[in-house]
Amino acid sequence: TQLLEQSPQFLSIQEGENLTVYCNSSSVFSSLQWYRQEPGEGPVLLVTVVTGGEVKKLKRLTFQFGDARKDSSLHITAAQPGDTGLYLCAGVAMDSNYQLIWGAGTKLIIKP
Amino acid sequence: DTAVSQTPKYLVTQMGNDKSIKCEQNLGHDTMYWYKQDSKKFLKIMFSYNNKELIINETVPNRFSPKSPDKAHLNLHINSLELGDSAVYFCASSLGISGANVLTFGAGSRLTVL
Repeated sequence: TQLLEQSPQFLSIQEGENLTVYCNSSSVFSSLQWYRQEPGEGPVLLVTVVTGGEVKKLKRLTFQFGDARKDSSLHITAAQPGDTGLYLCAGVAMDSNYQLIWGAGTKLIIKP
Repeated sequence: DTAVSQTPKYLVTQMGNDKSIKCEQNLGHDTMYWYKQDSKKFLKIMFSYNNKELIINETVPNRFSPKSPDKAHLNLHINSLELGDSAVYFCASSLGISGANVLTFGAGSRLTVL
């Protein structure tokens, strides 16, 4: 069974601090997506990474795909209250029959 | 112009009742999904349809019956509702069946069974 483990499950920090969220697996993924979900809304795609070692930046958010394509991280610099939300990673494992596998999410709260 | 719209947004009902949630997408996507998000926020796929045909049918009680009249619509009917059915149900769509495709989600339908 393919699993995507996200850590931490919950993070509450002050505005201006930096943070990193991790998404790990023992399986190799052909691609991995990061979504953000705000209260009362559905998840919205932030980025897709497909190449081992790939780094993508979205303003203050930096996404990295591990060299072996088994893990990914999301780093937020100078977090702001608007970054508050549930961050979900989801990926297609090489042996998953092309089904999308979801992590359990990281609930992030940025306090002003 | 909402891309994926689902109704109703809130649904409160008694145990044993039957209810339906409707979903429509105007993105021209071929594939649509129903996901269930429990109180711990875990997203679990229930069904997926590609061009009106059932592709994924996870271990879901047969009280849940999806129907896709055309590729732009995927409705979910639930019979004999139970307390454990309380959750937020999300409809989503994507270009095709590959998990590598990006999902566009609706805003969710919060079902509360009393």
